[in-house]
Amino acid sequence: DAGVIQSPRHEVTEMGQEVTLRCKPISGHNSLFWYRQTMMRGLELLIYFNNNVPIDDSGMPEDRFSAKMPNASFSTLKIQPSEPRDSAVYFCASSLDRGAEAFFGQGTRLTVV
Amino acid sequence: AQKITQTQPGMFVQEKEAVTLDCTYDTSDQSYGLFWYKQPSSGEMIFLIYQGSYDEQNATEGRYSLNFQKARKSANLVISASQLGDSAMYFCAMREAGEGNKLVFGAGTILRVKS
Repeated sequence: DAGVIQSPRHEVTEMGQEVTLRCKPISGHNSLFWYRQTMMRGLELLIYFNNNVPIDDSGMPEDRFSAKMPNASFSTLKIQPSEPRDSAVYFCASSLDRGAEAFFGQGTRLTVV
Repeated sequence: AQKITQTQPGMFVQEKEAVTLDCTYDTSDQSYGLFWYKQPSSGEMIFLIYQGSYDEQNATEGRYSLNFQKARKSANLVISASQLGDSAMYFCAMREAGEGNKLVFGAGTILRVKS
């Protein structure tokens, strides 16, 4: 199994630009998580899907952030417009069922200048 | 209120010795799961060990064991025979059935193994 695949691995963008992060979960997993990791705030849960349905998006910082899961094998996290304070590592993770351990992708390091 | 508390920002341990990383949690659910992850300097998140709230035995995985004390709401990670490669950030996490089973993390503990 290829594991959770995130793209791109690194993204540098200018303030005000739209950024789209992509995630392919492990095949057969039905839970998907998006996290943001910074030194100041640690590992924050942004949004959590189960069976492609958003269950909890209370961690999404503001309206500039949106996430979709159009099918079981693909999810996106979009930031529009991006700001320097969005600079962080964004992780996607998936799990087999609602109580199981989650497996993480390699993360996307986003830098907004 | 913090769901997961890791009170040790950083720990040192001598190579080949055992070390305990503390984790306490806050939940009113009867059904929940506790997890530990390792994040080395390369940045990936590696799942280590899982303990279910109904499990009567402490979980073990190789050199990792979880000291689960349900009444105290603690789930400490014990690493035996520390190796230099154990130097990393360690995160405790929880999924609660009553919270839709979302996975939330503590702040982490940095472990440094000394030779």
